[in-house]
Amino acid sequence: SQKIEQNSEALNIQEGKTATLTCNYTNYSPAYLQWYRQDPGRGPVFLLLIRENEKEKRKERLKVTFDTTLKQSLFHITASQPADSATYLCALEPTDSWGKLQFGAGTQVVVTP
Amino acid sequence: DTAVSQTPKYLVTQMGNDKSIKCEQNLGHDTMYWYKQDSKKFLKIMFSYNNKELIINETVPNRFSPKSPDKAHLNLHINSLELGDSAVYFCASSQETGGRKNEQFFGPGTRLTVL
Repeated sequence: SQKIEQNSEALNIQEGKTATLTCNYTNYSPAYLQWYRQDPGRGPVFLLLIRENEKEKRKERLKVTFDTTLKQSLFHITASQPADSATYLCALEPTDSWGKLQFGAGTQVVVTP
Repeated sequence: DTAVSQTPKYLVTQMGNDKSIKCEQNLGHDTMYWYKQDSKKFLKIMFSYNNKELIINETVPNRFSPKSPDKAHLNLHINSLELGDSAVYFCASSQETGGRKNEQFFGPGTRLTVL
């Protein structure tokens, strides 16, 4: 069966360090992989999109990698700040279901000063 | 200006009632979605409309009926509400380019509680 797995345990990290989140998937052929941020009581907010033929994408302090052989994406927040504390969701768009994003359960990040 | 708005933000109702949630986007997007986020925080797609046409219809009880009067609006009507319908419902929109969907913009959510 299809699965998208993210670390269910919260990631506690000290301000200034790099947070690394993992998204593993099975039985998918994703065309795109997206990362979203969700704060309590709010809707997800888009952060980054990476295509199947791309290895890495960056945006300011954020970096995403996509390894279709390992079926894994890594999401990095460098120089983390308390304002980065939130839940981060990965989402796949399969090649055979355009627009049908499948979300992982998310990983909570807590950045302490 | 709010890009994707939903009303109401909170909805508390009794089992068996019928209720509607409204969504509007002012981004000019051609595709809109409804998602359900349950207590375990899984976000699952329910429906998607592209230019008022239903294109994604997941395995959802037929008590749930979406309606898109125009490209900017997508409403969700729920009949005979059940306890298990309690969740947060999110509306989202995106713009198709070259046949592919891009990032989605989500509304603030509607927290539905069925008593």
